[in-house]
Amino acid sequence: EAGVVQSPRYKIIEKKQPVAFWCNPISGHNTLYWYLQNLGQGPELLIRYENEEAVDDSQLPKDRFSAERLKGVDSTLKIQPAELGDSAVYLCASSLFKDTQYFGPGTRLTVL
Amino acid sequence: AQKITQTQPGMFVQEKEAVTLDCTYDTSDPSYGLFWYKQPSSGEMIFLIYQGSYDQQNATEGRYSLNFQKARKSANLVISASQLGDSAMYFCAMREAGSNYKLTFGKGTLLTVNP
Repeated sequence: EAGVVQSPRYKIIEKKQPVAFWCNPISGHNTLYWYLQNLGQGPELLIRYENEEAVDDSQLPKDRFSAERLKGVDSTLKIQPAELGDSAVYLCASSLFKDTQYFGPGTRLTVL
Repeated sequence: AQKITQTQPGMFVQEKEAVTLDCTYDTSDPSYGLFWYKQPSSGEMIFLIYQGSYDQQNATEGRYSLNFQKARKSANLVISASQLGDSAMYFCAMREAGSNYKLTFGKGTLLTVNP
């Protein structure tokens, strides 16, 4: 069974540029999560989807971050415009309802 | 207050020895779950083991076991017969029913297995 797929694995952009990350969850998993992991820290939840609905986006900085999960499968996380402080690893995870979360390999973003 | 505390920034162990990674947690929710994840340098978070707050026995998964002491609010991970491939960051995490099952992570422990 395929795991959570994320792309790109690495992204380098200049500040003020837009960037987007893509996630494909484990087949059949209805819940999808985006996490932010700063260097030397554990992941922190940005947004959680149940099917197409964003049920917890309280930690998402909505002035520059947006996310969507069309058709309740794939998801895209966007930052526009990116700032230096956005340099981090962006992890996507999925689960069947509220069961164990399984993570993808992450996207390492560097903002110059 | 920190919900998950991992007091060991780094740990060293000899190959084939056992090692314990510490985790303490803070919650007033009677229903919660505790998880351990491994994060190698490649970046992926790999699920290792789970312990529910109502589970009577300590969880085990192959070489991994969880030393769950509910009264002390600790959930230490024990890795037996360490292997070189066990070198990685290890994160303890908690999921509380009252927080809509949000997963909260500690800061992690970097384990290095020496040959």
